[in-house]
Amino acid sequence: GAVVSQHPSRVICKSGTSVKIECRSLDFQATTMFWYRQFPKQSLMLMATSNEGSKATYEQGVEKDKFLINHASLTLSTLTVTSAHPEDSSFYICSAAGPDPQETQYFGPGTRLLVL
Amino acid sequence: DQQVKQNSPSLSVQEGRISILNCDYTNSMFDYFLWYKKYPAEGPTFLISISSIKDKNEDGRFTVFLNKSAKHLSLHIVPSQPGDSAVYFCAASARGGYQKVTFGTGTKLQVIP
Repeated sequence: GAVVSQHPSRVICKSGTSVKIECRSLDFQATTMFWYRQFPKQSLMLMATSNEGSKATYEQGVEKDKFLINHASLTLSTLTVTSAHPEDSSFYICSAAGPDPQETQYFGPGTRLLVL
Repeated sequence: DQQVKQNSPSLSVQEGRISILNCDYTNSMFDYFLWYKKYPAEGPTFLISISSIKDKNEDGRFTVFLNKSAKHLSLHIVPSQPGDSAVYFCAASARGGYQKVTFGTGTKLQVIP
């Protein structure tokens, strides 16, 4: 299957700072990228869907000013957690998909964020 | 509101026996169902899927059964192998495809050698 990478794999930051997480599709062009959040022992919750070159579509209850998503190219999407607080601590996973809706999405390995 | 539920957080099975993982859903608009496998510190990987027009799909040791009237699906792994030990997520889509899926909470499967 296709390879999706995430960087960093884990990050610890102080409350009030911003953190950027990168998601890259290494061997295919991702027209759509998804960002998920997973709390311990809970399911992956879709936060937003981004299409290359356009604004992200956020799920209900997700603050778009808090979680800034940029999908500037067909191989890179970034999630910036602005003014992070301890409750933002979580496991963030991205996935990438091509233009065919019947094509599976490929997941990155995730980023563990801990806000002190 | 958890639209996709996996009521068993964990399951232990002896190697060689059958593993049955269950999943229930509430949204009748879901028409495509998927199972993902996830190892620690890795992203989920696609395992098998089934469309709502079918009631069974088989791929090697993995079979997924769908009971639309009961809004229930299950994943059967037979024979189970130690390498199958992972967290399995059930997911559902309302658009007939793999994208924009709703995930269940996962079931941690342990296959005992």
